[in-house]
Amino acid sequence: GESVGLHLPTLSVQEGDNSIINCAYSNSASDYFIWYKQESGKGPQFIIDIRSNMDKRQGQRVTVLLNKTVKHLSLQIAATQPGDSAVYFCAENKDSSYKLIFGSGTRLLVRP
Amino acid sequence: KAGVTQTPRYLIKTRGQQVTLSCSPISGHRSVSWYQQTPGQGLQFLFEYFSETQRNKGNFPGRFSGRQFSNSRSEMNVSTLELGDSALYLCASSWGDRGRADTQYFGPGTRLTVL
Repeated sequence: GESVGLHLPTLSVQEGDNSIINCAYSNSASDYFIWYKQESGKGPQFIIDIRSNMDKRQGQRVTVLLNKTVKHLSLQIAATQPGDSAVYFCAENKDSSYKLIFGSGTRLLVRP
Repeated sequence: KAGVTQTPRYLIKTRGQQVTLSCSPISGHRSVSWYQQTPGQGLQFLFEYFSETQRNKGNFPGRFSGRQFSNSRSEMNVSTLELGDSALYLCASSWGDRGRADTQYFGPGTRLTVL
């Protein structure tokens, strides 16, 4: 069953194109940031993380960019595939508290 | 290595009842966090346990409580259920002892419906 908001911002991309999902975080003191992917009926799945002493980190087909000046985080997905269709959440953490603060999410739809 | 497991996956309760949800973390992980996910409020932090102690707490009423056992398994309890408690309850585990926050890995969640 549907487990996330029904009125999320949606990004629709063509299969094979690159996707960029943006997130504005709330606390300038946050020092650890994570991107999660959530498919319908499942729990959030870890994609990539970044600490505040970095501004860019790359994984397999994914890149996270951190701009602390404007409190902005982005997730870039290269060569987007149908399996990438999901809701994507950014999360921030402050002072190693283990309390993640989540953004509201973005729905990514990949058109074949 | 097995992931985070949560039981039961689905629950239906009526107002006023209480419920207990269970979470088994990834082997070796000692930190367990609980989150509530609803369409209106999104993902919200409930609490985090480490070495059988509540280490962090979110802004939920006292009806929401939890505990952690010596094997790091955790339970959360909701008493006097209200309709607004209907949600997906997610558990996440992490090492918890790295000196700074480390990645939290989520289970599939327990879908609670309060009638």
